[in-house]
Amino acid sequence: GDSVTQMEGPVTLSEEAFLTINCTYTATGYPSLFWYVQYPGEGLQLLLKATKADDKGSNKGFEATYRKETTSFHLEKGSVQVSDSAVYFCALWARDSNYQLIWGAGTKLIIKP
Amino acid sequence: NAGVMQNPRHLVRRRGQEARLRCSPMKGHSHVYWYRQLPEEGLKFMVYLQKENIIDESGMPKERFSAEFPKEGPSILRIQQVVRGDSAAYFCASSADRDQPQHFGDGTRLSIL
Repeated sequence: GDSVTQMEGPVTLSEEAFLTINCTYTATGYPSLFWYVQYPGEGLQLLLKATKADDKGSNKGFEATYRKETTSFHLEKGSVQVSDSAVYFCALWARDSNYQLIWGAGTKLIIKP
Repeated sequence: NAGVMQNPRHLVRRRGQEARLRCSPMKGHSHVYWYRQLPEEGLKFMVYLQKENIIDESGMPKERFSAEFPKEGPSILRIQQVVRGDSAAYFCASSADRDQPQHFGDGTRLSIL
């Protein structure tokens, strides 16, 4: 079945460092890909999405490119802030998955001042 | 512009009691999804409903759990005779259609004593 694999956390960086959180997927069809962010004690917020190969999703300085050849959707940000500390989830959605969102396990990001 | 509203935010129950979790979707959304998040884990799909109909309940435990989304009022996730293992965060999401992005509530954190 469809699945999503994320790099394990926690990822600890200093402020203004470059961020990459890896995400790879397995899907039989042509999924849409998402990054959600969960701040402590809160629900999940859609951060960005991409619906087809080579699409780049971007929001709040974060971006991710849908790479079909490597089945990846890595999240990047050029200069992180303390306020970016949260858990980041990669997810896919495909008609073949009966419209369920399939989730990665989440990567906790800690940014130190 | 109210988002997805879940209540209560925190719910404490003793073993054997019933837990009722409520979810009001975003205005204009008729598709509701329930997910469970165990500590330090990602989200697991439970059930997908569209007004008065259960579309997919493949993630629901076979016993004690039920969900409904009546014509009027919020969607309800009911857990009967709760056990310690039911302690988790339960998230509701809604969408305008089955192929539209899901928007999440802040979750209900259920603790079983």
